[in-house]
Amino acid sequence: EAGVTQFPSHSVIEKGQTVTLRCDPISGHDNLYWYRRVMGKEIKFLLHFVKESKQDESGMPNNRFLAERTGGTYSTLKVQPAELEDSGVYFCASRRGQFNEQFFGPGTRLTVL
Amino acid sequence: AQSVTQLGSHVSVSEGALVLLRCNYSSSVPPYLFWYVQYPNQGLQLLLKYTTGATLVKGINGFEAEFKKSETSFHLTKPSAHMSDAAEYFCAVSPNFGNEKLTFGTGTRLTIIP
Repeated sequence: EAGVTQFPSHSVIEKGQTVTLRCDPISGHDNLYWYRRVMGKEIKFLLHFVKESKQDESGMPNNRFLAERTGGTYSTLKVQPAELEDSGVYFCASRRGQFNEQFFGPGTRLTVL
Repeated sequence: AQSVTQLGSHVSVSEGALVLLRCNYSSSVPPYLFWYVQYPNQGLQLLLKYTTGATLVKGINGFEAEFKKSETSFHLTKPSAHMSDAAEYFCAVSPNFGNEKLTFGTGTRLTIIP
């Protein structure tokens, strides 16, 4: 089966612009997670969807970040307007049901200039 | 709150030598512990996990880790390093398996010297 895919793999934008990251989970996985790694630091949790509902969004840094998962399939993470400190690698992960591992995508490297 | 500390952001070992990557955690509840590996241009891949039961856990590619509650540690080892082990390794903790967000350490980049 296909793994978790993320698009784009890289994005370079100017401060103040908008960027939308996309994650396609493994088919049938109702749990979807977003994480972020700022350079040199730990990977940090952003939020967790169960189907189309936000189960936990305690890690979202501020209201410039908006995550959606319409229809409970793919998810988007929009950053508007982007700031320099938003640069990093954004990972998506998906999981089927409970008590199963999270499968991670390759990440999107976002650079804000 | 939970936290993970990985000692050594970079570790180099010779091919054939022992690999030891250190991980200490802090958790207010019995933890679920994980090691993930990231190869270049790939996503994180689960190496092994500790949930309950036997404290010595075997994973893929010859890696294993031992949960030591008294030392709050979950160090990753491999008896003999291979060139293909060069990657970045992440230790993570969760308050319960599968259902909660993962808290990661800062990662350790492993270099294998020919």
